[in-house]
Amino acid sequence: DTAVSQTPKYLVTQMGNDKSIKCEQNLGHDTMYWYKQDSKKFLKIMFSYNNKELIINETVPNRFSPKSPDKAHLNLHINSLELGDSAVYFCASSPRDPRDSGNTIYFGEGSWLTVV
Amino acid sequence: LAKTTQPISMDSYEGQEVNITCSHNNIATNDYITWYQQFPSQGPRFIIQGYKTKVTNEVASLFIPADRKSSTLSLPRVSLSDTAVYYCLVGDREGGGSYIPTFGRGTSLIVHP
Repeated sequence: DTAVSQTPKYLVTQMGNDKSIKCEQNLGHDTMYWYKQDSKKFLKIMFSYNNKELIINETVPNRFSPKSPDKAHLNLHINSLELGDSAVYFCASSPRDPRDSGNTIYFGEGSWLTVV
Repeated sequence: LAKTTQPISMDSYEGQEVNITCSHNNIATNDYITWYQQFPSQGPRFIIQGYKTKVTNEVASLFIPADRKSSTLSLPRVSLSDTAVYYCLVGDREGGGSYIPTFGRGTSLIVHP
């Protein structure tokens, strides 16, 4: 029944490693997102896809690469992990285009990434 | 560029009404104001959305003055379970361009017994 599900929930890895976080939504939405939340609770958008097309691509190191194989999935791959990448990563989806301010965004439970 | 400013934290007691104000001086003409609630170890979830005047649902009320440069989320008779971080989302329009759903830091509300 989970609307937006992401795996893994917890991930501890060493600097320099490459890791992926997977996300799936069963809401039938056209838009999916990745957000990053730091220790101060600041919630920053990273990417957004609409119908598998990259719509929003904020200032994010190119070590971060999103992949949307279909409308229901948006995965995040991170290369050469750094200590500063430690954060909570939220996947989300919405029924309308991300550029529509009247949208409602549905978030997953988050993936806690710790880089040591 | 519509940045938002909210208090970082607030304290209240069970049964009280809590009002959290968000400033968004540069909100674009067509943009909505949306509030989200985030419990510890969970993702944010939608509470309420409005464009102008007042909106009320079963959870909260949202008051928006005529100039729309601020908005106030009102939680009636809070309980311990309302302890959470509350985000006001207005979004950014960098260079006057497309809307980007950018959240701020949110307000951490702690409800005491």
